[in-house]
Amino acid sequence: DSGVTQTPKHLITATGQRVTLRCSPRSGDLSVYWYQQSLDQGLQFLIQYYNGEERAKGNILERFSAQQFPDLHSELNLSSLELGDSALYFCASSVAPSLAGGLDTQYFGPGTRLTVL
Amino acid sequence: DQQVKQNSPSLSVQEGRISILNCDYTNSMFDYFLWYKKYPAEGPTFLISISSIKDKNEDGRFTVFLNKSAKHLSLHIVPSQPGDSAVYFCAATEYGNKLVFGAGTILRVKS
Repeated sequence: DSGVTQTPKHLITATGQRVTLRCSPRSGDLSVYWYQQSLDQGLQFLIQYYNGEERAKGNILERFSAQQFPDLHSELNLSSLELGDSALYFCASSVAPSLAGGLDTQYFGPGTRLTVL
Repeated sequence: DQQVKQNSPSLSVQEGRISILNCDYTNSMFDYFLWYKKYPAEGPTFLISISSIKDKNEDGRFTVFLNKSAKHLSLHIVPSQPGDSAVYFCAATEYGNKLVFGAGTILRVKS
């Protein structure tokens, strides 16, 4: 158990709908990352938050947004869903971004499997 | 543009023998490389990492080798155990930020 929790575990919805995925980081971790794993693909970085502020953006669609709350949990909002958005969505957390070099290991949650019908 | 590549989709090894998983990268600015293991229905689990200034890092049965001139790294598991059967992802990071993952290699350890 990595200490990172994600809810829900599974989500089935229809095209055009909007969903919210939730992530609670490990105790003490300030940084949260979201990744998407589509079928037959590796994990793709979406977005990173550090202590409530957006720090880095990857290949995140405009229909997707995220935020990190004062209690450090994070939510990923996916809207106007399309069939191609069906994927596993992982959240990871780390203590802090490595501002001065060095490795800040990311620990992953169990993921949310999103199925868009 | 795939910056991290795992060219072998799968690998099958006998229990007790060595498993060698390979990874190539193109971005010379990567400063850390990591290996994650993933079981079905679970998130990736961190295994081992190596700094770009090192050429080897060892942790128990797991050793990672880095060849910077060839932009290649490998994970050695000795001895392999049936519980090691999983998907192994190679990942790299630049200045400790986002991870760039390879597509993964499925390792099957036969008993």
